[in-house]
Amino acid sequence: QITLKEAGPTLLKPTQTLTLTCTFSGFSLSTSGMGVGWIRQPPGKSLEWLAVIYWDDNKQYSPSLNNRLTLTKDTSKNQVVLKITNVDPVDTATYYCALRRNSGNDWRGWLDPWGQGTLVTVSS
Amino acid sequence: QSVLTQPPSASGTPGQRVTISCSGGSSNIGSNTVHWYHHVPGTAPKLLIYSNNQRPSGAPGRFSGSKSGTSASLVIRGLQSGDEADYYCAAWDDNLNGWVFGGGTKLTVL
Repeated sequence: QITLKEAGPTLLKPTQTLTLTCTFSGFSLSTSGMGVGWIRQPPGKSLEWLAVIYWDDNKQYSPSLNNRLTLTKDTSKNQVVLKITNVDPVDTATYYCALRRNSGNDWRGWLDPWGQGTLVTVSS
Repeated sequence: QSVLTQPPSASGTPGQRVTISCSGGSSNIGSNTVHWYHHVPGTAPKLLIYSNNQRPSGAPGRFSGSKSGTSASLVIRGLQSGDEADYYCAAWDDNLNGWVFGGGTKLTVL
């Protein structure tokens, strides 16, 4: 069974750095083709993809966050860490991590399953 | 504004068929597959359909997906009260180099 769980602070002040950890089980991020993505959902709004890291340490980031994102992985701990620098109240959201799957016919893939999410509030 | 466009709401009575649309462009739906998620606020989004029309194990057969050009649809047959949730479409976007989502459709079972 594949599970993912997000962990991080619940409250941050503007300009601080947000560090989120995704701890997963049931798969290895050292296996070819595997990836872990991050998505967020501000209160009352839709989902926004943030970043993805692959088994070969290739990473892709959403351009809308203007180089504020950093992704790292620790395959021995089955963890992926996302850092967002210089947070602002607009970064208030529920943050999710998810497994990126793909197939021979669909190499871009899809995100499944997702973690339960963690709510992060940015406020002074 | 979300990159993919969905109607904000949909509704139906138990047993009915409901269709939720998702419209995009050439860089996303037009050139990549579409995936659909079911989301009850406070819980993890769950995959309903992947690669346009594939159901993951555990997803009810009442749900089906299709894609044509730069649009896609999710069809729910035999609507049940437990289907009340937010539904999101998603697709890879070649310009963004990541996934884009629709704004979500809130389904109400009357």
